Amino acid sequence: LAKTTQPISMDSYEGQEVNITCSHNNIATNDYITWYQQFPSQGPRFIIQGYKTKVTNEVASLFIPADRKSSTLSLPRVSLSDTAVYYCLVDTGTASKLTFGTGTRLQVTL
Amino acid sequence: NAGVTQTPKFQVLKTGQSMTLQCAQDMNHNSMYWYRQDPGMGLRLIYYSASEGTTDKGEVPNGYNVSRLNKREFSLRLESAAPSQTSVYFCASSRNRGNEQFFGPGTRLTVL
Repeated sequence: LAKTTQPISMDSYEGQEVNITCSHNNIATNDYITWYQQFPSQGPRFIIQGYKTKVTNEVASLFIPADRKSSTLSLPRVSLSDTAVYYCLVDTGTASKLTFGTGTRLQVTL
Repeated sequence: NAGVTQTPKFQVLKTGQSMTLQCAQDMNHNSMYWYRQDPGMGLRLIYYSASEGTTDKGEVPNGYNVSRLNKREFSLRLESAAPSQTSVYFCASSRNRGNEQFFGPGTRLTVL
């Protein structure tokens, strides 16, 4: 099974930019990379999805280098409400190879 | 739209008991998923369904069965519950495989 790893935790001050990296060295050619946010006692919520280079939406950016063996979720100017666990997902197209990352717990303080 | 709904929200079982977790979505999605999330851990896929009548095993299918009788509903059954199945179970749906997944609120299951 493809291994998808992330830092366990990160701390940030409010207003800073936060970058969370996910390593997915077994990613296949057609796989997309998706990031989710999860608050305690809730299901994950979609943030952003990308295939290569850079994708930006109203809440985040996703950077994917040419070899696609990693990806970086960038959260600009975080606030206290961004305190959550962030997961990357690489879906290789078969049921048994849908792999969520280990999750990164982001703590934002004043 | 309610999105993805799950019942029950909480359940306590004794070892060996059986139960079915229900999931329904009203977004006309083709793909549906069942995950488990153990304390402090990420999500692991139990079963996936690409469409009505089709199911595929995920990473951790042992001890579970699923049923996708129609497009809206995807149920997860524990035939003989074990303490190792104590977890939070999430159902999700997406338009198709690889698209954004929408998650339900989860079912917190404890097996004594």
